[in-house]
Amino acid sequence: SQQGEEDPQALSIQEGENATMNCSYKTSINNLQWYRQNSGRGLVHLILIRSNEREKHSGRLRVTLDTSKKSSSLLITASRAADTASYFCASQSNFGNEKLTFGTGTRLTIIP
Amino acid sequence: DADVTQTPRNRITKTGKRIMLECSQTKGHDRMYWYRQDPGLGLRLIYYSFDVKDINKGEISDGYSVSRQAQAKFSLSLESAIPNQTALYFCATSRDRFTDTQYFGPGTRLTVL
Repeated sequence: SQQGEEDPQALSIQEGENATMNCSYKTSINNLQWYRQNSGRGLVHLILIRSNEREKHSGRLRVTLDTSKKSSSLLITASRAADTASYFCASQSNFGNEKLTFGTGTRLTIIP
Repeated sequence: DADVTQTPRNRITKTGKRIMLECSQTKGHDRMYWYRQDPGLGLRLIYYSFDVKDINKGEISDGYSVSRQAQAKFSLSLESAIPNQTALYFCATSRDRFTDTQYFGPGTRLTVL
């Protein structure tokens, strides 16, 4: 089963609004990453946050990490129609297993 | 040109056929991965390779095999395709364990009838 679970599964907002997506994971991690996938296409890396970091910014993206709750959130500010995509979190375990475990994704729709 | 390419992009085949999906990369990365994506299930790891001589099973390797022909090439084979292997297949690469950002190919949509 997937370690990561995103919430909500689907989100629709008006252009210009902020979008927040959440991710939970089950085991201790080295880092957590967020990826975007446009419909039927490959995933594109957005941002990586390490286990010793609590918040990270990249452009209109803000990621937080709470290791005590084993959760992360992705905030997209001032959303644009081009942000319409599916967003996945992926966690890298720190148990010597270096693979990424992907969540089930949040489908974000930006309404113009 | 794309850094990670996959061929074919779409394939329809019949139950019992042997299928090979190919992945090539120009990023110079040692690590390569094969995932499958099913609706509502996210990505699941099939096989991964940390270098040409190091190949490892992922969480769903049954019914699949791989070959790492060179640093740049990693192929996935379905020995005898079955309908529940219908999915979107992605190849990915990464540089090393400390910057484990993965770079994905465009995907292969496989349909097994």
